[in-house]
Amino acid sequence: EAEVAQSPRYKITEKSQAVAFWCDPISGHATLYWYRQILGQGPELLVQFQDESVVDDSQLPKDRFSAERLKGVDSTLKIQPAELGDSAMYLCASSLGRLAYSETQYFGPGTRLLVL
Amino acid sequence: EDKVVQSPLSLVVHEGDTVTLNCSYEVTNFRSLLWYKQEKKAPTFLFMLTSSGIEKKSGRLSSILDKKELFSILNITATQTGDSAVYLCAVQIYGSSNTGKLIFGQGTTLQVKP
Repeated sequence: EAEVAQSPRYKITEKSQAVAFWCDPISGHATLYWYRQILGQGPELLVQFQDESVVDDSQLPKDRFSAERLKGVDSTLKIQPAELGDSAMYLCASSLGRLAYSETQYFGPGTRLLVL
Repeated sequence: EDKVVQSPLSLVVHEGDTVTLNCSYEVTNFRSLLWYKQEKKAPTFLFMLTSSGIEKKSGRLSSILDKKELFSILNITATQTGDSAVYLCAVQIYGSSNTGKLIFGQGTTLQVKP
């Protein structure tokens, strides 16, 4: 069964350092999402790509976060510099189409980030 | 502001019990409501609901949506210890560029004791 891949699974870093997370969506999925899930809360959308284009980054802290999906396949999310409040699970999800109809999003295993 | 609220936040039951999890929402441009199960890893998809009053069922789990009263319930009958998890409710709305966006609730943590 096809799955969303993410790496690393765990990351510990010191504040002010740079970190990067990678996501490979299910093959053929046009839409890719990055979510942040703080312990005890539901995931919150950070950025959404349709192919290589950003279609929603309204909740992305753009002073320190950046995301790219250069070839419309895999994606990288970067934080620079990391802050203590960035400690969370970062989830990547993908869905098949591009059109405005209801679709299921499939989630990867996540990257758990701890900032010290 | 779009909002999804789940209740209860946590629940402890014994094997064999039936549980009902609640999800209410206030959003603009509703598209669908989804339920996910999250163990100590990524959320896994359970149901997607788009129409009121039509029950979706998978084994011991079932869910229904009321678009007039803006809520959904997830029922689990004959609970097992393997049902222990966080259950997330998410509402999909029409986002920018005609794409879907998920607004998640805070989750209900279910613990099933032997």
